[in-house]
Amino acid sequence: DAKTTQPTSMDCAEGRAANLPCNHSTISGNEYVYWYRQIHSQGPQYIIHGLKNNETNEMASLIITEDRKSSTLILPHATLRDTAVYYCIVRSANQAGTALIFGKGTTLSVSS
Amino acid sequence: NAGVTQTPKFRVLKTGQSMTLLCAQDMNHEYMYWYRQDPGMGLRLIHYSVGEGTTAKGEVPDGYNVSRLKKQNFLLGLESAAPSQTSVYFCASSRDPRSVYEQYFGPGTRLTVT
Repeated sequence: DAKTTQPTSMDCAEGRAANLPCNHSTISGNEYVYWYRQIHSQGPQYIIHGLKNNETNEMASLIITEDRKSSTLILPHATLRDTAVYYCIVRSANQAGTALIFGKGTTLSVSS
Repeated sequence: NAGVTQTPKFRVLKTGQSMTLLCAQDMNHEYMYWYRQDPGMGLRLIHYSVGEGTTAKGEVPDGYNVSRLKKQNFLLGLESAAPSQTSVYFCASSRDPRSVYEQYFGPGTRLTVT
C-alpha cells in the first residue's frame, strides 16, 4: 500500500468547512483512497472513498487531484460531533482479507 | 440492523486467565477481522476470516486464537492472558474487500490484564 502523510492536528470553527489534506505521492493506478474517522473511544467509521473522480456523500466530499498524489476530505459544515481522528488510507482493491493500515491520522478539533 | 456488536464492553483479567471475546454481525458479511489498538498506535490486525469455517493470521496473532463456526460470529480467545495484551479490541466485517467495500467496526472491548 502507498504511504500517506497527514497533518497531526487541525482546528475548525463550528459551522465552517473542515478541509483535511492527505498526501499519497506513491499511489499506484489500482489503489483507492479511503477516509475513516475515529471518535474518542469508539470504533472507526467509514466516511468515503474514491479512485480518481471527486466523490460526495451525505457525510463529506472527497477531492482527488488529477495526478492522484494528494486528496482533501471536506466536511462542509463541521459540528462539535465531528471532533475525531481522521485517517486517510490508500488500498488496492485486490487485497482479500488484509487489514486497513491506520496511521497516526489527523486530530480534528471543532470548537464553538 | 445492529451492525457489528461486541461482547463484553469491558473486562479485567489476571495474568494467566483465559477469556473469549465475541463479535457478531447481522449484515451477512463474508469477511470478519479482529484488531487491537494501543495508545498512540494505529490498529493492528490480529486474525481475520474470509468465510465460515476459515481463519487466517494477521500482523500480531501470537497469544490469540479465533474461530468462525457461524458466518455471523467471530470469536477471539486468549488462552493465558498477559499484561502485554491490555488493549482495546475492535472487530470489523466487510463484504468481499476485493470489491472495494468498506469495513464496519464494532464499538470495541476494553481489556485490562493485571
